[in-house]
Amino acid sequence: AQKITQTQPGMFVQEKEAVTLDCTYDTSDPSYGLFWYKQPSSGEMIFLIYQGSYDQQNATEGRYSLNFQKARKSANLVISASQLGDSAMYFCAMRKSGSARQLTFGSGTQLTVLP
Amino acid sequence: DTGVSQNPRHKITKRGQNVTFRCDPISEHNRLYWYRQTLGQGPEFLTYFQNEAQLEKSRLLSDRFSAERPKGSFSTLEIQRTEQGDSAMYLCASSQEGLAALTDFGPGTRLTVT
Repeated sequence: AQKITQTQPGMFVQEKEAVTLDCTYDTSDPSYGLFWYKQPSSGEMIFLIYQGSYDQQNATEGRYSLNFQKARKSANLVISASQLGDSAMYFCAMRKSGSARQLTFGSGTQLTVLP
Repeated sequence: DTGVSQNPRHKITKRGQNVTFRCDPISEHNRLYWYRQTLGQGPEFLTYFQNEAQLEKSRLLSDRFSAERPKGSFSTLEIQRTEQGDSAMYLCASSQEGLAALTDFGPGTRLTVT
């Protein structure tokens, strides 16, 4: 069974600093996709970034980048130049290829950006 | 497109009552998912439709839960004989096919069972 582990229940970062949110995953499938979502206190799930298992380069989207280390089965999210609006819950998720199409989520990391 | 919509946004019910939630996915998405999220946790998969066919159900989906997607458009999730443990946020999501397909989430229905 696939599993996503986020070991940091809460993180604090100073405004304008960079922060790394950890995510490790467990799968024996060679083909899978990794996603990060942001969930502010208002509750909506906002897609941030995607990394495919066969992608050669780490994904980047604006201030978000994904530090993908396939051998270690880790997909850490890096947020550069943190802003107060980045304060939210962040979830790492995985989708396998094949019959199971749903996302499997980790337990999340609550990020608080300090002014 | 206005995104995935869910109704109602909030539902308070008494234990033992039945409740039904509705989800309208993004129109060009043929996949629709239901998740349940409890406070401080990540969403947990409940069930998945491809068009009108319900292709997968989690073991979390007890026999008190039923979901439908008639004509492959909107979907409903019904919980019969609600229990206090059913209190959670119920999220609907939709996507196109493909490993990298973006899954768009609705705002959720917050269920409180008293």
